[in-house]
Amino acid sequence: EAGVAQSPRYKIIEKRQSVAFWCNPISGHATLYWYQQILGQGPKLLIQFQNNGVVDDSQLPKDRFSAERLKGVDSTLKIQPAKLEDSAVYLCASSSYASGGQLYQETQYFGPGTRLLVL
Amino acid sequence: AQKITQTQPGMFVQEKEAVTLDCTYDTSDPSYGLFWYKQPSSGEMIFLIYQGSYDQQNATEGRYSLNFQKARKSANLVISASQLGDSAMYFCAMREDTGGFKTIFGAGTRLFVKA
Repeated sequence: EAGVAQSPRYKIIEKRQSVAFWCNPISGHATLYWYQQILGQGPKLLIQFQNNGVVDDSQLPKDRFSAERLKGVDSTLKIQPAKLEDSAVYLCASSSYASGGQLYQETQYFGPGTRLLVL
Repeated sequence: AQKITQTQPGMFVQEKEAVTLDCTYDTSDPSYGLFWYKQPSSGEMIFLIYQGSYDQQNATEGRYSLNFQKARKSANLVISASQLGDSAMYFCAMREDTGGFKTIFGAGTRLFVKA
């Protein structure tokens, strides 16, 4: 079974430029997450989708970050314009969780991440 | 509010020995799940082990076991027979049943395995 795929693996941009990251979850996984991991910290959830609907984006800086999952499969996270503090690893994860299950038992599986450096 | 604390920024262990990585948590929800992930230098978060709040037995997965002490709110990861490939960051995480969809991660512990 193929894991979570992400691209690109690395990206270097200048501040005020825009950037986009792509994620393809494990086949059949309904739930998809985007996390931001700043150096020396644990991952922080940015947004969660269930199929193609957003279920939590409370920590997404909506003035500059946007994400979509139009067909309920792969997803794109965009930053426009980027700031220096956006330098981080952006991790995508997926799970098979569907409504009605025990949410707290859900295991997330992560992709390799995209390392973003904003100069 | 849910909170995860990993107090060991770095740990050293000799190859083939066992090591315990500490994790304490805070929650008022009776239903919750605890997870440990490994993050090698490549960056990918690898799921290791899960413990549910109602589980009577400590979870085990190969060389990984979770020392779950519910009354003390601790969920320490024990790695037996350490290998050089175990050198990585290790994150403890928690999800509450009523906490929405957020999984909260600790700050992590970097493990160094010495030959």
